[in-house]
Amino acid sequence: SYELTQPPSVSVSPGQTASITCSGDKLGEKYVSWYQQKPGQSPVLVIYQDTKRPSGIPERFSGSNSGNTATLTISGTQAMDEADYYCQAWDSITAVFGGGTKLTVL
Amino acid sequence: EVHLVESGGGLVQPGGSLRLSCAASRFTFSNYWMNWVRQAPGKGLEWVAKIKQDGSEKFYVDSVKGRFTISRDNAKTSLYLQMNSLRAEDTAVYYCAREAFCSGGVCAWDYWGQGTLVTVSS
Repeated sequence: SYELTQPPSVSVSPGQTASITCSGDKLGEKYVSWYQQKPGQSPVLVIYQDTKRPSGIPERFSGSNSGNTATLTISGTQAMDEADYYCQAWDSITAVFGGGTKLTVL
Repeated sequence: EVHLVESGGGLVQPGGSLRLSCAASRFTFSNYWMNWVRQAPGKGLEWVAKIKQDGSEKFYVDSVKGRFTISRDNAKTSLYLQMNSLRAEDTAVYYCAREAFCSGGVCAWDYWGQGTLVTVSS
């Protein structure tokens, strides 16, 4: 079965850039979505189709996907961005999530 | 704004059954594929199932095939998940989610409900 791998945790200082990676075999050939989940809340879509932001998502969130790695980048990270982040892709008719990355804003 | 409200969760013994519901409002329910996604306590997200707009196509993660059935009632704008032969590993918060932003048959989930907790334990 297809697998997506994320680092368990990433730390960043306020105002700096955070990068969260997601790796999978030939992932660049698939569309990747990213979801943000804060404690006790439902997931929120922050990036879809690798690079697109839904309405209402701040411009500081951006995405890329090439080769075997997709990356979620948060520029000028704010304290409110502290959350778990999940990448997701479709393997044929099955949706696959990465294990999630806890972003800590120190 | 789109509204998705899950219900039906609770405590059930191993081997038991439960039926989850997701009431949808403020959008044309019959136009969208709908999904169930779950999250075990303290764990990550896991996709469970999806159903086409008219209910004619359904897909499941391997671990629930033959035990869970996804269905919908467009007249009632509701999504369902019938869960049979429940196991301890099915313990999770179950979310319903709407598919959108599709390209080439690949979609994301733009709206999620608040989730309902299913606990399988004796």
